[in-house]
Order: sequence, then C-alpha cells, then structure tokens
Amino acid sequence: AQSVTQPDIHITVSEGASLELRCNYSYGATPYLFWYVQSPGQGLQLLLKYFSGDTLVQGIKGFEAEFKRSQSSFNLRKPSVHWSDAAEYFCAVGAQGGYNKLIFGAGTRLAVHP
Amino acid sequence: DVKVTQSSRYLVKRTGEKVFLECVQDMDHENMFWYRQDPGLGLRLIYFSYDVKMKEKGDIPEGYSVSREKKERFSLILESASTNQTSMYLCASNGQVPPQHFGDGTRLSIL
Repeated sequence: AQSVTQPDIHITVSEGASLELRCNYSYGATPYLFWYVQSPGQGLQLLLKYFSGDTLVQGIKGFEAEFKRSQSSFNLRKPSVHWSDAAEYFCAVGAQGGYNKLIFGAGTRLAVHP
Repeated sequence: DVKVTQSSRYLVKRTGEKVFLECVQDMDHENMFWYRQDPGLGLRLIYFSYDVKMKEKGDIPEGYSVSREKKERFSLILESASTNQTSMYLCASNGQVPPQHFGDGTRLSIL
C-alpha cells in the first residue's frame, strides 16, 4: 500500500539556520512527489513538485527538495530560514495516471525562533 | 492563477443537522477532491469526483456524501452531523496532470 512518512512532528530552528524536513514514501512505481505548506487557518500551497528528470527540484520561497530513489526519500531543504517560514509542511505522493489522487504525510510543524 | 473557493471559512452546526459544504473552482478541472484534516493525521480523502455526476469513495467516506451537478462545483454533504465530524475540511481540484490546488478550508464545529 502507498504511504508517506514524515518522521518529525515538530521541528524548531533559529532564524537564519538551515532546515531539512524529512519525507519517506512507499510506492511501487515512480511516483509524483510534492511538498505543500500550510499557514495557520489557510489551505495548502504548493512549494514544489517532482515528476521526473533532475532529482533536485527548486520551489518557491527558496525551498528545494531532492528525490533519492534508493532511499525512497524526498527531503525538503532551505539554506536559511525566515520567521515567516513557520507553518506546517506536508509531503505527498501521487500515482502517475489515474485521477491524480494524493497520499499525504501527517505533516511537520515548523517553529522559528528569532 | 487557479482559484478554489470554499463557501464558508467557519461553520457551526448542531448534531443531527444536514450540512452542506460547497466548493467552486474556476479552471475547468476534471478532478475535484474533499479532504478532512485532523491534527497528527494529515489529510485524509473523503470523496473525489473525476467528472460531472461521477464520484468515487476515498479512504473515509462513512457519514458523508457528495454531489457534482456542474463541472466547477463539488459539494460535500454530512447527512446527519455528529460531533466526531468536527474538523477542518479542504477542497482541491486538478486537471489531467497534478498538482492539486486547494481552497482555504472550512473549519466545521458540530455541537
């Protein structure tokens, strides 16, 4: 069965520090992979996506993610965190073809200390 | 930009009421989705629709139904609301290729 695991429920970093949020997936074929961000009381905004090709993908707000097939991982990174990055982050995996259904991880809540 | 609009940001209803959550998208997308979001559980798919009048159950359809009479509109119906349906509900849509685009959510409280 398809699944997505985000091992860290909460992460706290200092402003200006680097960030890595972990995502591991279980899927039989080559999946679509996504990272979304959710600010309090808001819907989900797409940060970046991986379909194929270059395994390092760039997204909005200075985020990037690297697809590692051998580790079934798609970790999100940012070199220098800003206070406005405090939010909840969701990793999602989707099937190629079909109706584009997504399976979401449980989310990682990021707090940023000044 | 894709716009997915959910009719209410906050809604308070009573146990046993029939509740309608409305979602409209403006991009002529074929696929529309209703999710429920609860702390620590991520997003769980309730129902999705891949065309007008077509629907498929997601992972947690019990206690819910849906309606899609027009391509741009997808409604979630709680037939008889219960307190365990208090949650954040998110609507999303996409075309033939991802990603899904989300509305701002409806925070529903059942008293």
